[in-house]
Amino acid sequence: AQKVTQAQTEISVVEKEDVTLDCVYETRDTTYYLFWYKQPPSGELVFLIRRNSFDEQNEISGRYSWNFQKSTSSFNFTITASQVVDSAVYFCALIEDTGFQKLVFGTGTRLLVSP
Amino acid sequence: DVKVTQSSRYLVKRTGEKVFLECVQDMDHENMFWYRQDPGLGLRLIYFSYDVKMKEKGDIPEGYSVSREKKERFSLILESASTNQTSMYLCASRIRGRGGTEAFFGQGTRLTVV
Repeated sequence: AQKVTQAQTEISVVEKEDVTLDCVYETRDTTYYLFWYKQPPSGELVFLIRRNSFDEQNEISGRYSWNFQKSTSSFNFTITASQVVDSAVYFCALIEDTGFQKLVFGTGTRLLVSP
Repeated sequence: DVKVTQSSRYLVKRTGEKVFLECVQDMDHENMFWYRQDPGLGLRLIYFSYDVKMKEKGDIPEGYSVSREKKERFSLILESASTNQTSMYLCASRIRGRGGTEAFFGQGTRLTVV
């Protein structure tokens, strides 16, 4: 069965520090998709990025970057020069391409960025 | 923009009541999901639906049922609410058949059962 593990429950950093959020997944499918979502204090989940299992290229978007490594079944998320507005809960999620395409989430990592 | 709307932001119900949580999406998505979110447990899937009248159990379906009579609406039903169902409930929808598409979420319903 598919599974997503986010071992870091909470991370606290000071503004301008770099921080990496870990995500490890399990799946038996060869085709799957990984996602990161952000949940600010307002509560609504905001989509950040998707990655398919055939594309191991890293991606950078402004201060955000993602490192996908199939060899270690990981899809880690790095925020460079963190800001207070980055404070949120971040979720990693997985969809297998076969079957009913159930969307499964990890338990989330709460990031606290202090000034 | 895709819009997923949950009928209530906050609800307070009494133990034993039948509770309906409603979710409507406006993008003709086939797949719809209900999750509950609890501190330290992340988002846990209760039920999902991949088409009208079609439903599948998620990881924690006990004590819940769902209804999908129309494509745009997915209802979560607590047959007899209990205090351990106090939680944040999130609805989501996405296109079926294209695995890479993201899910869109509603604003959440915080349910308190007293």
